[in-house]
Amino acid sequence: DAGVTQSPTHLIKTRGQQVTLRCSPISGHKSVSWYQQVLGQGPQFIFQYYEKEERGRGNFPDRFSARQFPNYSSELNVNALLLGDSALYLCASSFGTATSYNSPLHFGNGTRLTVT
Amino acid sequence: GQNIDQPTEMTATEGAIVQINCTYQTSGFNGLFWYQQHAGEAPTFLSYNVLDGLEEKGRFSSFLSRSKGYSYLLLKELQMKDSASYLCAVRDTTNAGKSTFGDGTTLTVKP
Repeated sequence: DAGVTQSPTHLIKTRGQQVTLRCSPISGHKSVSWYQQVLGQGPQFIFQYYEKEERGRGNFPDRFSARQFPNYSSELNVNALLLGDSALYLCASSFGTATSYNSPLHFGNGTRLTVT
Repeated sequence: GQNIDQPTEMTATEGAIVQINCTYQTSGFNGLFWYQQHAGEAPTFLSYNVLDGLEEKGRFSSFLSRSKGYSYLLLKELQMKDSASYLCAVRDTTNAGKSTFGDGTTLTVKP
């Protein structure tokens, strides 16, 4: 079975530009979360979507937005890119409802975003 | 909010046992996860604890004490391939989907 897939794998943008990152969850998973991981740190929570609704938002500015489609795939958009947005962006899917606390996260390999 | 602390680095010898500790302060707790992340790769799930006690899964075990806000991951019979970062993550009560991660413990296994 295919795992979580993310595209693109690498991306280089300049300050002020906009970027869209894509994620396809594991088949049967309805929950998708986005995390930002800076080198040497743990992943930081950005968003969680379940059944196409936003169920959680981390401490990120409004430049960050996301959505989930009827097929449960998801996009993360970042506007007005800053140098500090350079990071690995991880998408994770999980099985079960939004209240299935014991469902582990299954991560994709991430998108490495570099802002110059 | 959540605050999670783990040692930054640890070194151990092949075949030995190593214990990676994690302490957390949280306003709400709905379980603690351990993930393994090899350099340049995505984190992968290792274990889950929600009740106090030890969960064993092959060479890996994880322990939780909710009253102390403490967990550890125990790795036995270390292999070279166990060299990786180990991430402790706490799931939030206010948002079932949110996991707060520590910065990870980089384990180096030497021959």
